[in-house]
Amino acid sequence: DAKTTQPTSMDCAEGRAANLPCNHSTISGNEYVYWYRQIHSQGPQYIIHGLKNNETNEMASLIITEDRKSSTLILPHATLRDTAVYYCIVRSWGNSGSARQLTFGSGTQLTVLP
Amino acid sequence: DAGVIQSPRHEVTEMGQEVTLRCKPISGHDYLFWYRQTMMRGLELLIYFNNNVPIDDSGMPEDRFSAKMPNASFSTLKIQPSEPRDSAVYFCASSSPGGGALGETQYFGPGTRLLVL
Repeated sequence: DAKTTQPTSMDCAEGRAANLPCNHSTISGNEYVYWYRQIHSQGPQYIIHGLKNNETNEMASLIITEDRKSSTLILPHATLRDTAVYYCIVRSWGNSGSARQLTFGSGTQLTVLP
Repeated sequence: DAGVIQSPRHEVTEMGQEVTLRCKPISGHDYLFWYRQTMMRGLELLIYFNNNVPIDDSGMPEDRFSAKMPNASFSTLKIQPSEPRDSAVYFCASSSPGGGALGETQYFGPGTRLLVL
């Protein structure tokens, strides 16, 4: 699976949009971009995923560049409860016999400030 | 749905003792994963099962660690004998069959915080 690069930490003011970047320049055609987050003392939580089109759900939006070498997770109106470590993970799916694990990097510590 | 259930939530034990961590996956999920998280190594996969069969245990640190899944609703991770360096948070996760890329989504339990003295 492709390697990802994320900033170590970011701050965001409460109520403002939080934009978390991820670089995955070695992504291949069958690899999806997944985002998970981990709030302190909890298990990781799925946020969103995408292949090449922009995606939106009730939690966030995912913007993937046309060349798919980078993406941005957007939390439109960040709240204090969004303070967490955000992980960008790139992996293929559906490969028979291949591992289905997620490989977590260091992620981005997002701190939402009041 | 109650989500992935893990027990105990906290465990303190002495070096050399046997530790058993338990996990109940979400009903209907056919994949189960055990992860370990430490400050030094981050979140790392130990082993995962498909339909109760271990598929990849390459992440299991050593023979002191063993995992079983006797049925679709229960799995255990055992450490015998435990050592201080095993202190970590152990997470269990499950995922559902099919569903394309969304079927790959993993749902994590709250974790077991293990401290080996």
